[in-house]
Amino acid sequence: DAGVIQSPRHEVTEMGQEVTLRCKPISGHNSLFWYRQTMMRGLELLIYFNNNVPIDDSGMPEDRFSAKMPNASFSTLKIQPSEPRDSAVYFCASKIRTSGNQETQYFGPGTRLLVL
Amino acid sequence: RKEVEQDPGPFNVPEGATVAFNCTYSNSASQSFFWYRQDCRKEPKLLMSVYSSGNEDGRFTAQLNRASQYISLLIRDSKLSDSATYLCVVNKVDTGRRALTFGSGTRLQVQP
Repeated sequence: DAGVIQSPRHEVTEMGQEVTLRCKPISGHNSLFWYRQTMMRGLELLIYFNNNVPIDDSGMPEDRFSAKMPNASFSTLKIQPSEPRDSAVYFCASKIRTSGNQETQYFGPGTRLLVL
Repeated sequence: RKEVEQDPGPFNVPEGATVAFNCTYSNSASQSFFWYRQDCRKEPKLLMSVYSSGNEDGRFTAQLNRASQYISLLIRDSKLSDSATYLCVVNKVDTGRRALTFGSGTRLQVQP
C-alpha cells in the first residue's frame, strides 16, 4: 500500500519566491497534519484537518503560510513570500480519526526546503 | 516550559547494553502517550503506544507515571539498528483542538 506521498522531496528557492508543498494522505484516512522540523525547534505542528476542514491552525507561523485541503486525497501548504528562516523539513502525516485515544499517525517522507 | 521535555542526549552505549529514556509532560489533561522513532533524514514512525499499566514489545518496555507526569522507554540488549532519535509524544484529546505534541527527541547511538 502506498504511504503518505509528499512532493517535491527537495526544494531550493530564493527569498521572496512562492513555495507550494503537496501531500497525498493514505487512502481512507480522514485527518491530515502538516508539521515543520528544525534542529532548533524540533517537530512543530502547523495545522491539521479533519474531513478536509481545518481544525487548528494556531501553529501556522504567520500570514505568509497557508494550507488547503480541497478534497480527501490532496493538501497543499503554501509559503508566500518565502524567507530563509522557513528553511526546514516539512512533514505531512495522516491518520484515521477515531473516538479512542490510541491512534497512529503515518508520516510522509518530508520535503526539505532551503530558502536562500 | 515546553509541553514535552526530553534529554537530547546523545546516549552512546555498546551493543547489548540496556538504556532508558525519560520524558516529562506538563499538561495533566494529556490522555495518550507514544514513543516514535526517527532515523537520520527520515520521517518519524510509531514505535509503541504507552499504556497506563506499562507495556512491552520485545526488547522495548514503555511505562507511564501519571502522578509524576513522566514516560519512560527501556531498551534491552541494544542493537546497532536501534541507533536513532526517540521522540516522546503526548496527545491531549478534547473537542478536537490540538493533536500530538512531540518532544525534541533523545538521540541514541549504539556502538559495536
